[in-house]
This record gives sequence, structure tokens and C-alpha cells, in this order.
Amino acid sequence: AQKVTQAQTEISVVEKEDVTLDCVYETRDTTYYLFWYKQPPSGELVFLIRRNSFDEQNEISGRYSWNFQKSTSSFNFTITASQVVDSAVYFCALRVYNFNKFYFGSGTKLNVKP
Amino acid sequence: GAVVSQHPSWVICKSGTSVKIECRSLDFQATTMFWYRQFPKQSLMLMATSNEGSKATYEQGVEKDKFLINHASLTLSTLTVTSAHPEDSSFYICSARVMATSSTDTQYFGPGTRLTVL
Repeated sequence: AQKVTQAQTEISVVEKEDVTLDCVYETRDTTYYLFWYKQPPSGELVFLIRRNSFDEQNEISGRYSWNFQKSTSSFNFTITASQVVDSAVYFCALRVYNFNKFYFGSGTKLNVKP
Repeated sequence: GAVVSQHPSWVICKSGTSVKIECRSLDFQATTMFWYRQFPKQSLMLMATSNEGSKATYEQGVEKDKFLINHASLTLSTLTVTSAHPEDSSFYICSARVMATSSTDTQYFGPGTRLTVL
């Protein structure tokens, strides 16, 4: 069975602080994909990143970075120098190869205060 | 990224009426589309998977006669909430799967439709 856990329900930081959103996943499949999506107050989910299980390289995109660790089944997301516009709910998701279904975590609400 | 649209973005209807929500992939063809439901402050719950030209596959606990899904073309899927009741009020989100290559296999989400049933 597949499962994604985002233990942090809500995080509040002050602008310019760094913040890490945790994501732990469970699967017995060896080929799978991990995703992060951002859902701002408007409601639309914005695709941030996709990582496959064979690629453990960490990725950096501007102020965003992702740390994929198969040994701990984690795919954490760090925002450096957070901004108010980063305030949103962030979802981590898992999909196993050859299956359409996404398994979403419960989401982490990030509040960035000025 | 790929663009998915939903129409309407919000709808208010009376109890007992039916509501149709459209999901379109604007710049790509989607053989597979998905319908999710999201309650306030909760995660997305997959309702059904829709494949073009075939019947939708519903998740356990989702009433197929209540939530009719049609995927008539590679760019359009519709969700019809039949005989809507206040408990059907929710945020409905569709997504479309882009699979040009295995390395680009990703779902893109529509902006969602907020349904309020009075």
C-alpha cells in the first residue's frame, strides 16, 4: 500500500526565514514518482517538481530546493528566504509506476508573515 | 507547464438540481483525466479516473450514479453531480495526465470548481 505523510499541519515563519516542509512516503514499489504541489488561497494546484525513484540528486530551483533520501523515504522541500507570496498549502504526492493514482499527503499550510 | 481549465469556477445551485463541471486540457491531449474532491482544510480525495472513450473508474465509496463522468474527447472530461444536495458542496478539482515521454509523466491540475448547494 502507498502512503504519504506530511506531519506538519501548519508552519508559520517570518519573511526571509528558511523553512523546510517534510514529506515521508511508503511504498513497496521500486519505481515511483514523487511530486510537490503548491495550492495558494485561490485554490489552483501548481506543479513544483517531479522526481523519479532512480534519481536521488537533490534539486535547486531559485529559492526552492528538494532533498530526496531513499534511505529514509523522505522528500523534503526547503524554501530559502521565504516571502509572503510563498504562503500556501503545500502537498507532497506519490505515484507508482504503471498506476495512475496519486497518493497525496494531508498538506502543510505555510504562513509567511511580513 | 501544461494548462488545464475548469468551468465554471464556482456554482451555486438549489438542492435537487444537477450540475455539470467541465475540465479541458488546453494545449495538450490527455488520455487520462482525474476528478478530485477537496473539503475545507483537507487533502484531495480522488473520486474517479477517466479515460477517453471508456467508462470511468470510481474509487471505493464514490457513487457512480451520483457523480457521472464523461470523457468524450482527448481534451474534455465532464463531471455531473446529479440531484445535488448540500453535502455535495465542495471544491472539485480535475487534473490531466501528460505523458509525452516517461520522463514528463505528470498531472496538471485545473483551477477547481467551488460548488455550493443550497
